[in-house]
Amino acid sequence: GAVVSQHPSWVICKSGTSVKIECRSLDFQATTMFWYRQFPKQSLMLMATSNEGSKATYEQGVEKDKFLINHASLTLSTLTVTSAHPEDSSFYICSASFLAGSYEQYFGPGTRLTVT
Amino acid sequence: QKEVEQNSGPLSVPEGAIASLNCTYSDRGSQSFFWYRQYSGKSPELIMSIYSNGDKEDGRFTAQLNKASQYVSLLIRDSQPSDSATYLCAVRDSNYQLIWGAGTKLIIKP
Repeated sequence: GAVVSQHPSWVICKSGTSVKIECRSLDFQATTMFWYRQFPKQSLMLMATSNEGSKATYEQGVEKDKFLINHASLTLSTLTVTSAHPEDSSFYICSASFLAGSYEQYFGPGTRLTVT
Repeated sequence: QKEVEQNSGPLSVPEGAIASLNCTYSDRGSQSFFWYRQYSGKSPELIMSIYSNGDKEDGRFTAQLNKASQYVSLLIRDSQPSDSATYLCAVRDSNYQLIWGAGTKLIIKP
């Protein structure tokens, strides 16, 4: 149980284009979804937290107009990187939590984004 | 600034020995504690969660929590080369935020 999928697993795009990453909880309803970014050999960096039907809460320093998050249902959240630049190249990982108050997070397999 | 501290390592342990990973946290009001394992190039995987003082065992893994000392540890018995990974400690603080440690790289030597 508690399986989270992400699509695509990797993507290469040209600078200036937008990329959408999907995160789905497959066997549970996620009360909250989280989006992380991880650069090589660095720790996880939380970008934003989203609850179904609400606007995402972004961490300090994360541009909400650049990283658009939509949490349309209890099983789907999307992250759109708009006007991508090479410095946005990173490993983007989503996670989901389904037990209110437990804060156990279950991670998707991640999406490796390369912007050329 | 609430913090979760881990030794970055690498921690090298011979195969079959016990690996001991440590984590300290600054917020005394923290209530929930988690250990995640992350293989290189992969996403984190939840190994253990612990909520009360003492030990919690699951197979070869034991999580230990000491709230008075603000310290949580993970013991891996009979270490295997497949246990080689980065282990992340995460703590839910008194504001219900999950604070992540930077991780300890563990290497199990055959």
